[in-house]
Amino acid sequence: GAGVSQSPRYKVAKRGQDVALRCDPISGHVSLFWYQQALGQGPEFLTYFQNEAQLDKSGLPSDRFFAERPEGSVSTLKIQRTQQEDSAVYLCASGGINEQFFGPGTRLTVL
Amino acid sequence: AQSVTQLGSHVSVSEGALVLLRCNYSSSVPPYLFWYVQYPNQGLQLLLKYTSAATLVKGINGFEAEFKKSETSFHLTKPSAHMSDAAEYFCAVSDPGAQKLVFGQGTRLTINP
Repeated sequence: GAGVSQSPRYKVAKRGQDVALRCDPISGHVSLFWYQQALGQGPEFLTYFQNEAQLDKSGLPSDRFFAERPEGSVSTLKIQRTQQEDSAVYLCASGGINEQFFGPGTRLTVL
Repeated sequence: AQSVTQLGSHVSVSEGALVLLRCNYSSSVPPYLFWYVQYPNQGLQLLLKYTSAATLVKGINGFEAEFKKSETSFHLTKPSAHMSDAAEYFCAVSDPGAQKLVFGQGTRLTINP
């Protein structure tokens, strides 16, 4: 594809539900990143993959957050037992050290 | 730990006026520095980047930024603002040995006709 795509673009979940957010990186990009952007804030790093290996997950806020990239391309960010404080835009990026290309994000609203 | 401070959460300028968005960083190693722009309901788009080459960096849409090590700054400028420049701007830093970006809080730029 031409760029990074994410789905769904919008997700509304009831508190306690599990959600799964998908990221399709630019074809051939080895590195993939997830960021969380709260309303009115800058993005904050969640986790980083190089191919299928999750090399850094230091930004995941709790053990309810889990990310995977089993075949080194598509990635899924899963949030279990969602809480209101999880409401944010979740951004995916692919690329490398000199440039990260961002997707449009998934806006998650937890009621 | 690395950090970024963007001075001014909101900046308003007249069309045709100089745009200056301020960014100061903290890093224990020579950093890579970036400016991104975000339009409503869109992802981040890279404006320009500093990766230890020339200290004056030119980017897209007429923007440029100057890396000043002595001031730990990387301010973004554009000589003449255009209505289409209205957006949110984020400064970011990364450790060349790491991969993740650390972002500032963002500056919302408004252009007055």
